[in-house]
Parts: sequence; C-alpha cells; structure tokens
Amino acid sequence: QPVLTQPTSLSASPGASARFTCTLRSDINVGPYRIFWYQQKPGSLPRYLLKYNSDSDKQQGSGVPSRFSGSKDDSTNAGLLLISGLQSEDEADYYCAIWYSNTLVFGGGTKLTVL
Amino acid sequence: EVRLVESGGALVLPGGSLRLSCAASGFTFSSYEMIWVRQAPGKGLEWVSYISSSGSTIYYADSVNGRFTISRDNAKNSLYLQMSSLRAEDTAVYYCARDLGVFWGQGTLVIVSS
Repeated sequence: QPVLTQPTSLSASPGASARFTCTLRSDINVGPYRIFWYQQKPGSLPRYLLKYNSDSDKQQGSGVPSRFSGSKDDSTNAGLLLISGLQSEDEADYYCAIWYSNTLVFGGGTKLTVL
Repeated sequence: EVRLVESGGALVLPGGSLRLSCAASGFTFSSYEMIWVRQAPGKGLEWVSYISSSGSTIYYADSVNGRFTISRDNAKNSLYLQMSSLRAEDTAVYYCARDLGVFWGQGTLVIVSS
C-alpha cells in the first residue's frame, strides 16, 4: 500500500468547491506530518500551493489565493486541500506530499476537471 | 526574484552517465535545502534526492540510491545531480527545487534510450 493515496480524478462546477484528499497509509498517523500541496497545469512546472500541519502551523504559497486552504481529517487519517469558488483556471493536477522517513513522498496526484 | 535554472539534460544511452546542474539566483543559496524531483512522461512527481543547506546531510530515493549523487557548490550558487548507470526508467523531466518544493526550476529533460 502506498504511503499517500489520492483519488485519480475529481470534477466540480465553476463557483463550487473542490475537496482533495490525501490519505496516509494506515500505519502512519497524519497528526505530526506537514502536508504539502502542489498544483501542476499541463506543460508547466509544479507550483507550491501551501503546507498544513495545524491552524497554528501552516503556510500559504506566495501569491496563492486564500480560496486555497489546507486542513486535516484525523478520522480518515488524511490531509485535505479545499478550493472554494472554483475557476476554469484551477483545472490541473494536484499533488500532496509529506516528508517521511527521510524521504519526500508524493501522492499519485488528482486531476481536477472544472466543468 | 527566486530563480532556478536547470541544465544538462540530454539523450543518453542505457548505462551512460550525465550531470545535471541547477543555477540558483535571487536568494541566499547557502541558507536553503534543495531537492531534485523528476517526472516521467505522463506520470506523477517522484522525489529523487535531498541535500541540506551545508551539504552535510543527503538522502536518496531507493530507485536511484547508489547510482545518483547530489552535491552543491554554495560559492557558485549551484546544485548538481551526477547520474550514472542510467536506465530507461530514468527518462524524465528533472526539476530542482528549493526547500521541499516551495520554488521550482523549469526542468531539464533526460532521455535514456538506445
């Protein structure tokens, strides 16, 4: 089982919200880990969105709108990325990552379609 | 403005070697940890290697351990990735990034093929 699991795809309508999940393997407790989120549009380099550990330990990427936010769900052992007020330009691949056991582990990515 | 510019990507034969470089500017290079990340065509992101700001701490992904060597020259504001015993599965765009991906270069393409 991979360290991080992300749904392959997600679709939502313009103006709606999109909720991305990044589920940690069952033997890894999400509690202590900072969850990093990146956005990658086709043909472009990845863009850092934010990192989230707790409400007192979080960082928004430079120039990233506040409609992008992070959180955790202890009940599902997952990191979450929420995008509110979806725009067509948000259509992209979204990757989560954690620094785990001296490695940076990426999730497989979720492709967001805004339709 | 933070700028990372990779170079050195090329077409190389299986078993061959290649050295990638990443020129950094717009920040105090010697103060930041750096990583290499790669992305095979049509695939997701894969972390390759990490180096601390001083170069004293280094980590590798299992897939490249023993074949790739990360290094840096803080006097030249440069990061390097020496790749040897290259395999077809090493074909990818290689990105250098600051911190754990807060800033990224535009990437350089490595193709391993006969």
